Amino acid sequence: AQSVSQHNHHVILSEAASLELGCNYSYGGTVNLFWYVQYPGQHLQLLLKYFSGDPLVKGIKGFEAEFIKSKFSFNLRKPSVQWSDTAEYFCAVSPLSGGYNKLIFGAGTRLAVHP
Amino acid sequence: GAGVSQSPSNKVTEKGKDVELRCDPISGHTALYWYRQRLGQGLEFLIYFQGNSAPDKSGLPSDRFSAERTGGSVSTLTIQRTQQEDSAVYLCASSSTDKSYEQYFGPGTRLTVT
Repeated sequence: AQSVSQHNHHVILSEAASLELGCNYSYGGTVNLFWYVQYPGQHLQLLLKYFSGDPLVKGIKGFEAEFIKSKFSFNLRKPSVQWSDTAEYFCAVSPLSGGYNKLIFGAGTRLAVHP
Repeated sequence: GAGVSQSPSNKVTEKGKDVELRCDPISGHTALYWYRQRLGQGLEFLIYFQGNSAPDKSGLPSDRFSAERTGGSVSTLTIQRTQQEDSAVYLCASSSTDKSYEQYFGPGTRLTVT
């Protein structure tokens, strides 16, 4: 079955530290890849996406993610986190065989950034 | 403009009762999705509606779960004879035809079955 694994359930960082959140998926076909973020008290929102082309994609608020096909990975990075990045981050994949964007989510990573 | 809205925001029900959860998608969005998020877990796909096409119900966990979408807009997710394992946050999302990859999520309904 298709699945998405996020390696870290909880991450605690100080401001200005670098961030990398791991995401691996299990699906042999072509996929679209996403990171969603949920800030405290807010809805889930799209952070960035990868469909094709340059495997390094940039999203909002200085986030980027790199798709490594050989590793089935789509890790999220940010060089210097801020307190306002405190949120829960979800990796998601959408297998293209379904013909539409049915999202398969990872369990999420809770990030806490201390000032 | 208005985002996806869901009601109620919280629902507490007794085991065995039926519940209805409502989703109002963004106006003009043709696709509508329901997901479930159990505590400490990721979102599970439940059902997908696209225009007048037959819905994809492949994610519904049992025949106690059903959903409909009236007039291509509002959707209702119904859970019959609720069980404690149905306790979760139920999220609705919608997307437009031209940007179908970007799903806009509602605030969710937190369902607690006692």
